[in-house]
Amino acid sequence: GAGVSQSPRYKVTKRGQDVALRCDPISGHVSLYWYRQALGQGPEFLTYFNYEAQQDKSGLPNDRFSAERPEGSISTLTIQRTEQRDSAMYRCASSQPPGDTEAFFGQGTRLTVV
Amino acid sequence: AQKITQTQPGMFVQEKEAVTLDCTYDTSDPSYGLFWYKQPSSGEMIFLIYQGSYDQQNATEGRYSLNFQKARKSANLVISASQLGDSAMYFCAMRESDRDDKIIFGKGTRLHILP
Repeated sequence: GAGVSQSPRYKVTKRGQDVALRCDPISGHVSLYWYRQALGQGPEFLTYFNYEAQQDKSGLPNDRFSAERPEGSISTLTIQRTEQRDSAMYRCASSQPPGDTEAFFGQGTRLTVV
Repeated sequence: AQKITQTQPGMFVQEKEAVTLDCTYDTSDPSYGLFWYKQPSSGEMIFLIYQGSYDQQNATEGRYSLNFQKARKSANLVISASQLGDSAMYFCAMRESDRDDKIIFGKGTRLHILP
């Protein structure tokens, strides 16, 4: 696609529900990153993939958070048993093969847990 | 420990003046990359400039330049002739290429350009 696409753009869910956030990276991009961004703060690293392999998941806050990228393209970030503290903007980014290239960001999914 | 430190939470600068946004980083890897992103109030993340650790010259992109001082682990962004549209949050980020390829961001600096 022309850019990184995330869906949904906005998600309101009740506490305790599971949510799945989708990221469709730029076609051909090998690396895919997930970040969480609180208002007025910098993006907080969650996890990233090269192709379908999850390279680093050290930023996932706890075991309620998981991510997959089964075919090396679209990725899903899943939050189980959501809590109010999970409310944030979740951003996805993708880049060419690792190296001297920038990451391109999607517009994010604004998650609100009520 | 903070990998990326941006010490200026906010800055006010008069239009047409040059502005320097500070960024220091911490890594033991010899190979790494440094990035600056702009986030306007619309929320999008806009890539501005990149500097590789082995690059001999400071990176420049139009009105943006990166003042790379490797020994001091400093990668300050310089915006020349600031414009009202430069008002935004600015994030410094680093990718440690030898360790893995995750990109880590600083907390950001909010820049306000005054007319």
